[in-house]
Amino acid sequence: EPEVTQTPSHQVTQMGQEVILRCVPISNHLYFYWYRQILGQKVEFLVSFYNNEISEKSEIFDDQFSVERPDGSNFTLKIRSTKLEDSAMYFCASNEGPNTEAFFGQGTRLTVV
Amino acid sequence: AQSVTQLGSHVSVSEGALVLLRCNYSSSVPPYLFWYVQYPNQGLQLLLKYTSAATLVKGINGFEAEFKKSETSFHLTKPSAHMSDAAEYFCAVTDASNQFYFGTGTSLTVIP
Repeated sequence: EPEVTQTPSHQVTQMGQEVILRCVPISNHLYFYWYRQILGQKVEFLVSFYNNEISEKSEIFDDQFSVERPDGSNFTLKIRSTKLEDSAMYFCASNEGPNTEAFFGQGTRLTVV
Repeated sequence: AQSVTQLGSHVSVSEGALVLLRCNYSSSVPPYLFWYVQYPNQGLQLLLKYTSAATLVKGINGFEAEFKKSETSFHLTKPSAHMSDAAEYFCAVTDASNQFYFGTGTSLTVIP
């Protein structure tokens, strides 16, 4: 069964450092997303990506965040200068199109120290 | 804007008892509704989805949900809880922008 894969599963970084979270969406999917979940809180939308550009982004997705699809298979989330409050589980997701189910990866747990 | 409200952040049931997790949605257009489950330290897994076909939707692991437009609800049920059902459950709705809006989640505890 096709799945969304994320690497690494855990990332510890020092405050102020740049991190790149990687995702490989399902191959025939066209829409890609990043969500985050701070420990004990709800799953929050960060950004959606379609046709090689951002289609929607939330208030959380400020100038410190960027996304890229560098090679047609990977989908990355970069945090330029991490803050303590960026510590969370980050989920990548993809789907075929509007109103279809989104498939989520297992998540990357980011810890900023 | 779309939104979902999950009443009850924590629900405890005895093993073998009925599971009822509540979700109410707010949508200006016919919604597409989903229930996802998150087991400890894992990602989100789709349980079931409503896409305007049958109002009673059956999902995996014996779960089902009924779409009630008059009540703007999409409650999740399972007749008999199993220990393995202990997890976090999220209701979600999408809109034309294809963005998923998640509820705050309900943590289900199953008591032996």
